[in-house]
Amino acid sequence: SQQGEEDPQALSIQEGENATMNCSYKTSINNLQWYRQNSGRGLVHLILIRSNEREKHSGRLRVTLDTSKKSSSLLITASRAADTASYFCATRISGGTSYGKLTFGQGTILTVHP
Amino acid sequence: EAGVAQSPRYKIIEKRQSVAFWCNPISGHATLYWYQQILGQGPKLLIQFQNNGVVDDSQLPKDRFSAERLKGVDSTLKIQPAKLEDSAVYLCASSLATLGGRRMNTEAFFGQGTRLTVV
Repeated sequence: SQQGEEDPQALSIQEGENATMNCSYKTSINNLQWYRQNSGRGLVHLILIRSNEREKHSGRLRVTLDTSKKSSSLLITASRAADTASYFCATRISGGTSYGKLTFGQGTILTVHP
Repeated sequence: EAGVAQSPRYKIIEKRQSVAFWCNPISGHATLYWYQQILGQGPKLLIQFQNNGVVDDSQLPKDRFSAERLKGVDSTLKIQPAKLEDSAVYLCASSLATLGGRRMNTEAFFGQGTRLTVV
């Protein structure tokens, strides 16, 4: 089964608006990562947040992590048509026999209209 | 820096045939991953190697799928025999992550994937 679950499954916005995607997970993690996938291509890493961090920024990206609620959010500010893609959260498990395992959620499809 | 290389890019086979995919990770990356991504879904981890040892293969259908990592570098994933439901993109990724070390906080780099169609 997948570790992370993204919400919403699909998001459609206008250029210039902000896009927020959420991720929930089940087990203890070492870190949480967000990836982007353009249609028909491999995944590209966007940002990583460690389990002892609460917020991180990278350009127009802002990620928050709430380990008590086992949830994270990705905010893309001032979105552009080029941001249209699928976004996935991934968690690196911190305990158990599969320590270091990297598992992905189902993703959010973001469409930004010009 | 060269990225993760995968081949072939596309493969069409008939059910019950066998197929193999190859992956060459980024030089120096200790961890290698194989994911299966069915259309419209997130990548599902099939197997994760640390050097040439297995970290996790709990979701690898071992009756038909096998994977090996040669000398802790290149890897092959094989399906024998293939089923219709194996149609998917098979993604290989690598990272610097080392178990128990300080470099756990690293990202994975993905190849372009192999699109498999089983007819």
